[in-house]
Amino acid sequence: DAGVIQSPRHEVTEMGQEVTLRCKPISGHDYLFWYRQTMMRGLELLIYFNNNVPIDDSGMPEDRFSAKMPNASFSTLKIQPSEPRDSAVYFCASSFASGTGPFYEQYFGPGTRLTVT
Amino acid sequence: EDKVVQSPLSLVVHEGDTVTLNCSYEVTNFRSLLWYKQEKKAPTFLFMLTSSGIEKKSGRLSSILDKKELFSILNITATQTGDSAIYLCAVFVSVYGGSQGNLIFGKGTKLSVKP
Repeated sequence: DAGVIQSPRHEVTEMGQEVTLRCKPISGHDYLFWYRQTMMRGLELLIYFNNNVPIDDSGMPEDRFSAKMPNASFSTLKIQPSEPRDSAVYFCASSFASGTGPFYEQYFGPGTRLTVT
Repeated sequence: EDKVVQSPLSLVVHEGDTVTLNCSYEVTNFRSLLWYKQEKKAPTFLFMLTSSGIEKKSGRLSSILDKKELFSILNITATQTGDSAIYLCAVFVSVYGGSQGNLIFGKGTKLSVKP
């Protein structure tokens, strides 16, 4: 398997623009997670899905952020409008829980480095 | 407020040394504690611990959880330069049970292993 695939790998955009980050989880995994990492705040869980259904979005910072998972092989994280403080590395991860809980043996994608100027 | 504190923040050792990384937590509704290794890019999963006193082991790495004293340690024996990374601790907290909840991360311990 190719692992978790994220695109784009780097994104530079201007404040106020819409940004869409994409993720393809590992085939057969039933959980998908979106994380954000910054020097100031560290790694934060934003939202996660089980079988394409959002389970917990308490980490989503504000209404400018939204995430969807239309099918088992694709998810998007959208920021509209983007702000400089959204600059971070955004990771997508997936796992197959099988009774051990959602976070067991998560596999992370390479991340998208977002810069908002 | 739930919090996870890791210590030390950074550590420099020489190859062959044994290191112990610490993770303490103050959370409500504890479900499990996880350790990750982050080299230059994405984190990789190391261990998940849910019960006190049961050691998890993988090669030279091992970890144990103490739910009474609210901490976990990650041990690395006979360190190698490839162990250089940031080690992250996280706690899964869940009010409602099941799979719904949040994952609270510590700031990490940066380990540097010199040849």
